[in-house]
Amino acid sequence: DTAVSQTPKYLVTQMGNDKSIKCEQNLGHDTMYWYKQDSKKFLKIMFSYNNKELIINETVPNRFSPKSPDKAHLNLHINSLELGDSAVYFCASSQGLGLSYEQYFGPGTRLTVT
Amino acid sequence: RKEVEQDPGPFNVPEGATVAFNCTYSNSASQSFFWYRQDCRKEPKLLMSVYSSGNEDGRFTAQLNRASQYISLLIRDSKLSDSATYLCVVKVGGGGSYIPTFGRGTSLIVHP
Repeated sequence: DTAVSQTPKYLVTQMGNDKSIKCEQNLGHDTMYWYKQDSKKFLKIMFSYNNKELIINETVPNRFSPKSPDKAHLNLHINSLELGDSAVYFCASSQGLGLSYEQYFGPGTRLTVT
Repeated sequence: RKEVEQDPGPFNVPEGATVAFNCTYSNSASQSFFWYRQDCRKEPKLLMSVYSSGNEDGRFTAQLNRASQYISLLIRDSKLSDSATYLCVVKVGGGGSYIPTFGRGTSLIVHP
């Protein structure tokens, strides 16, 4: 049973294209996140949704637009892809935004922009 | 100054060694702390939470030093399977809403 799943696992695309990454969690969690991990392995939070409401929106280009159709899903759409968008994108979920809640991560989507 | 800082390593140790990593945080209002482990090309997974009194889980011991604003992870009797990147996570916030911030991770290589 996969707790947090992401599709696709790999995405190779050209500059200027638009692409989406999907994330689903079956843990019954209220909070979901998108992280970007660059080539230097730095894991940076991009967005967080709590009960389908956007809570955290870090300094991310507005080419990135998250969408949460329900508590179990958080998708990421990226417009006009650039070379610098190449990274691994991780979806994560947690029971809530509380102090003690750990995060469960999906397997990641490795995006390569050529 | 970065919010959460870790020595990237790599720490190269023989099997059976004891190794310790530190993680410093800049925000004195930080309220909860975790260690995650990330294997190569995999997702991060929770290793342990860090409590004020310190906590131990088998060969792993985590400690918090609020005065000096750092947390530590000690691994005793290192195994080859301990080779991974160890990520420190700090949460800051209030009103029931806490934002996790990850450090860049410390790479550990355990060799035979």
